[in-house]
Amino acid sequence: AQSVTQLGSHVSVSEGALVLLRCNYSSSVPPYLFWYVQYPNQGLQLLLKYTSAATLVKGINGFEAEFKKSETSFHLTKPSAHMSDAAEYFCAVLYNQGGKLIFGQGTELSVKP
Amino acid sequence: DGGITQSPKYLFRKEGQNVTLSCEQNLNHDAMYWYRQDPGQGLRLIYYSQIVNDFQKGDIAEGYSVSREKKESFPLTVTSAQKNPTAFYLCASSIVRDTEAFFGQGTRLTVV
Repeated sequence: AQSVTQLGSHVSVSEGALVLLRCNYSSSVPPYLFWYVQYPNQGLQLLLKYTSAATLVKGINGFEAEFKKSETSFHLTKPSAHMSDAAEYFCAVLYNQGGKLIFGQGTELSVKP
Repeated sequence: DGGITQSPKYLFRKEGQNVTLSCEQNLNHDAMYWYRQDPGQGLRLIYYSQIVNDFQKGDIAEGYSVSREKKESFPLTVTSAQKNPTAFYLCASSIVRDTEAFFGQGTRLTVV
């Protein structure tokens, strides 16, 4: 079955430290990939998306993600964490145009001062 | 402004009652989705629709029903058959031939 796995339900970093949130998908066929962010009691906001144009994708708020086909991964990074980055992050996969958007379990990011 | 509007933001229901959650979009998107969010379980797809008057079950459709009579509207009914309806419900939409999904602000349903 098609699936998305986010490693680590909770990640804690210090302000100014590197943020790395992991995402792996389960298909050998490159899908469309997304990272979303959710603040408490709100909907999801798109951070960035991969649609095969480039393997390194830059998003909003200084985040970026790299698509690695050999590892079936799409990890999210940010060089320096800010307190405002504390939120829940979701990786999502779309395997064909107009198909179902499948989400990972989410990773809650905490940023310590 | 274009976007997706979910209402109400908070909803309380007595056990045994049906309740309908509203989702309206003015983005002219063909596809619409309903997700349920529970702590630690991510987002689970309830129903989705790619065109007016057509919809498909997602992974957890039991106890829910939907309609898609208009392109801009995709209401979700939580029936009394849903055994554990307390959750955060999110509606989303996308252009069928594109990939990005836009989300509403969610409705938090509590059974009392």
